[in-house]
Amino acid sequence: EIVLTQSPGTLSLSPGERATLSCRASESIKNTYLAWYQQRPGQAPRLLFYGASARATDIPDRFSGSGSGTDFTLTISRLEPEDFAVYYCHQHGSSPYTFGQGTKLDFK
Amino acid sequence: QITLKESGPNLVKPTQSLTLTCSLSGFSLTTDGLGVGWIRQPPGKALEWVAVIYWNDEKRYSPSLQRRLTIAKGASKKQVDLTLTNVDPADTGTYYCARAVDYWTVYFDIWGQGTTVIVSS
Repeated sequence: EIVLTQSPGTLSLSPGERATLSCRASESIKNTYLAWYQQRPGQAPRLLFYGASARATDIPDRFSGSGSGTDFTLTISRLEPEDFAVYYCHQHGSSPYTFGQGTKLDFK
Repeated sequence: QITLKESGPNLVKPTQSLTLTCSLSGFSLTTDGLGVGWIRQPPGKALEWVAVIYWNDEKRYSPSLQRRLTIAKGASKKQVDLTLTNVDPADTGTYYCARAVDYWTVYFDIWGQGTTVIVSS
């Protein structure tokens, strides 16, 4: 089973700042099959990226995904108020299709 | 508009079986390549993939839950049922169904709102 470790656990920033979230896998993820989801309080997760960098429908371009092998990054270039949420990485290449423990992005 | 909606009991006793239903709108499991998966989330914790079923009736299960799980399509191909037997309080949480759009890799592009299940005597 591939274990995904996200860091930091909590990231405290202000609107307008840049956010960098990390996801590290316990072994190399084949074909960069790594997705990112955003989950706002009381809501279902929303797909942001799959295949490490393929942006899902209607995701603003201030969001970007990158990485390969075992190290992946989600970057939000300029934070908007609605971006403060929990973000999960998810490897979608090898069963079981595991999730990271999440990074909470909250207001400084 | 594509939507998924979960339904099922909110409270289940330990050792009982739990069956959840995912109702599909705007698509069905007659389309090549599409699937529907279940993901759960204990209160305040991370997401956990549970199972997925595809248009061709292929099923994939989380190894840690496999012996207690069954996923199946409804006759109309617009419903997916998930049955979990011998439930335990550790099975408490929100259960989401979601659409899987790639047969070769399992990620989820559209999610239901989730249904809360409490396992307690």
